[in-house]
Amino acid sequence: DAGVIQSPRHEVTEMGQEVTLRCKPISGHNSLFWYRQTMMRGLELLIYFNNNVPIDDSGMPEDRFSAKMPNASFSTLKIQPSEPRDSAVYFCASSHKLMGVSGNTIYFGEGSWLTVV
Amino acid sequence: AQSVAQPEDQVNVAEGNPLTVKCTYSVSGNPYLFWYVQYPNRGLQFLLKYITGDNLVKGSYGFEAEFNKSQTSFHLKKPSALVSDSALYFCAVRWGNQGGKLIFGQGTELSVKP
Repeated sequence: DAGVIQSPRHEVTEMGQEVTLRCKPISGHNSLFWYRQTMMRGLELLIYFNNNVPIDDSGMPEDRFSAKMPNASFSTLKIQPSEPRDSAVYFCASSHKLMGVSGNTIYFGEGSWLTVV
Repeated sequence: AQSVAQPEDQVNVAEGNPLTVKCTYSVSGNPYLFWYVQYPNRGLQFLLKYITGDNLVKGSYGFEAEFNKSQTSFHLKKPSALVSDSALYFCAVRWGNQGGKLIFGQGTELSVKP
């Protein structure tokens, strides 16, 4: 199994530029999660999808952030325009979603290290 | 509000000694509890989980955790620590029956010295 695949692994961009992070979940998984990790705030859930539909986006910090999942094997997280305070590690994760089972393990990608200067 | 807490920012242990990393939770309904480990510049790796049944759960790399409902705790343990166990450890919780979101504690830095 290839695991959750994220790209790019590292990105340095200038303030005001658009940033697009990409994720390919594990094949057969139908729940997808975007997390952000910073020293100050730890691991925060930004948004998650079930069957390509956004279920909870209450963690998205502001309108500059948007996420899409056009099909079961691809998702994007976009920041436009980017700001220095967006610098963080962004993780994508996926799991099976079986109705009535919250015990399914969530598997994480290696993360996208974003620096906005 | 649903939450999970790791009361120790850092735990220091000598190699060969037992280790414990603490976790407490607060959720409505039945909790589903997880431990993950993060090595420097890497993603989170799943270690073990408690869903139901036996309160003592065994996981990867010799780790285990004990679910204690009365104390709302899920402490991670290992009988004999290795230097290679040094990493950042996260406790996490899900709840309900709709496969919802996973929330994390703030993490505990484990340092094992030779």
